[in-house]
Amino acid sequence: EVQLVESGGGLAKPGGSLRLSCAASGFTFTNAWMTWVRQAPGKGLAWVGRIKTKNDGGTTDYAAPVTGRFTISRDDSKNTLYLQMNSLKTEDTAVYYCARGAEGWYFDLWGRGTLVTVSS
Amino acid sequence: DIQMTQSPSTLSASVGDRVTITCRASQSVSIWLAWYQQKPGKAPKLLIYKASSLESGVPSRFSGSGSGTEFTLTISSLQPDDFATYYCQQYNNYWTFGQGTKVEIK
Repeated sequence: EVQLVESGGGLAKPGGSLRLSCAASGFTFTNAWMTWVRQAPGKGLAWVGRIKTKNDGGTTDYAAPVTGRFTISRDDSKNTLYLQMNSLKTEDTAVYYCARGAEGWYFDLWGRGTLVTVSS
Repeated sequence: DIQMTQSPSTLSASVGDRVTITCRASQSVSIWLAWYQQKPGKAPKLLIYKASSLESGVPSRFSGSGSGTEFTLTISSLQPDDFATYYCQQYNNYWTFGQGTKVEIK
């Protein structure tokens, strides 16, 4: 089955860290640009960041609110995408989705999401 | 940054109605525009990409049109399963979503 499954969410304190994982199955993960999107409670969708394939350089891009604090990486041997979140702020509280970039650009496959709550 | 503005924010409609949602970009995004449907507690689902291309498996009552800065998503005959929130997304320059349009039962 083609799917993405996120894990690693939970409660963190402001200034703390958390690492999210996204396990991919049913497709060739190595060939997929991957992205993270978040959704604060009761709010809309917001792009967090993207990682290209190793063949395309494996480079990353981030949205302004998370630049310098969040890092996206991938382990193609494990078909897994990661989001390392440091210096967390209360405004980072959200459901975090991983998604596959079709033709690199729009998102045709989404995980179910994992909730991150940042609170003291 | 490219800003995406959807209208209306909420839409009340009945089963069988024709529904149109508009999305406007702050600058041209050419045809690099996608539409997603999201139900409460669920992940978004891709409906339309490249402004007017229907994603595989999506019912043909959904259609998209537009280019440049103005786009529309049309549901030709609203079905009970279509009550949800809809988001447009530009992917011409990184990624930006609209604020969403909630389609609710009239």
